[in-house]
Amino acid sequence: AQSVAQPEDQVNVAEGNPLTVKCTYSVSGNPYLFWYVQYPNRGLQFLLKYITGDNLVKGSYGFEAEFNKSQTSFHLKKPSALVSDSALYFCAVRDDSGAGSYQLTFGKGTKLSVIP
Amino acid sequence: SQTIHQWPATLVQPVGSPLSLECTVEGTSNPNLYWYRQAAGRGLQLLFYSVGIGQISSEVPQNLSASRPQDRQFILSSKKLLLSDSGFYLCAWSPTTYEKLFFGSGTQLSVL
Repeated sequence: AQSVAQPEDQVNVAEGNPLTVKCTYSVSGNPYLFWYVQYPNRGLQFLLKYITGDNLVKGSYGFEAEFNKSQTSFHLKKPSALVSDSALYFCAVRDDSGAGSYQLTFGKGTKLSVIP
Repeated sequence: SQTIHQWPATLVQPVGSPLSLECTVEGTSNPNLYWYRQAAGRGLQLLFYSVGIGQISSEVPQNLSASRPQDRQFILSSKKLLLSDSGFYLCAWSPTTYEKLFFGSGTQLSVL
C-alpha cells in the first residue's frame, strides 16, 4: 500500500526567509510524487512533480522539491518566502507498481504561514 | 485549453434530502475523472474514479454514488444525505493515470 506523511500541521516562516515543507512517502514500487497548493475555499493547484530523472525538481512560483530515495522524502522548498505563499500544501504519491495505481494518495496537508 | 467546471460552489441541504453535484471537463477527450472529499479543510479522500463512460470505481463504501453518463461529465449523487456527508467536494481530471490532476474549484456541502 502507498502512503504519504506530512509531519508538520503548520509551518511559520518570516517573509524573505527560506521555507521547507516536509513530506515522506512509502510505496511498493517506484514513486510518482506531486506537490499541490490550496488557497481558502478553492481547488488544489499543481506545483510540481517528480517522475524520474534529476532529483531536484523545479516548479511554479519559485518552488522546488528534492527527491531523496534513501530517506524516502520529497521536501518542498523555496529560497525566499512571500506573504502570498501562505496556503495549505499537499504532498501526494502514486505507486508505479500497479498496486492501487489509480489512487493518488494525499498527505493531510501543511498550513504555511508567512509572517510579514 | 482544458477547463473543468464544478457546481454549485455552495450547497446547504437538510438531512435525508437527495444530492447531485456535477462536474464537466472541456477541451479534452476520454479523461480520467475523480471525486474527492476534503473534511475540515485538510486531507483528501478519494471517493470515486472513472476511466471511461459507465466505468466507476469506488474507493470507500458510503452513502454516495457516482455516474459518468457522458465522456466529460461526472456526477456525484446521494439518495438521502447524512450529517456526516458534509464537507468540501472536489472534482478532478487527468489525461492519463500517471499524469497530474487538475482540480475544480470545489463544492462546500453543509448537511443540516
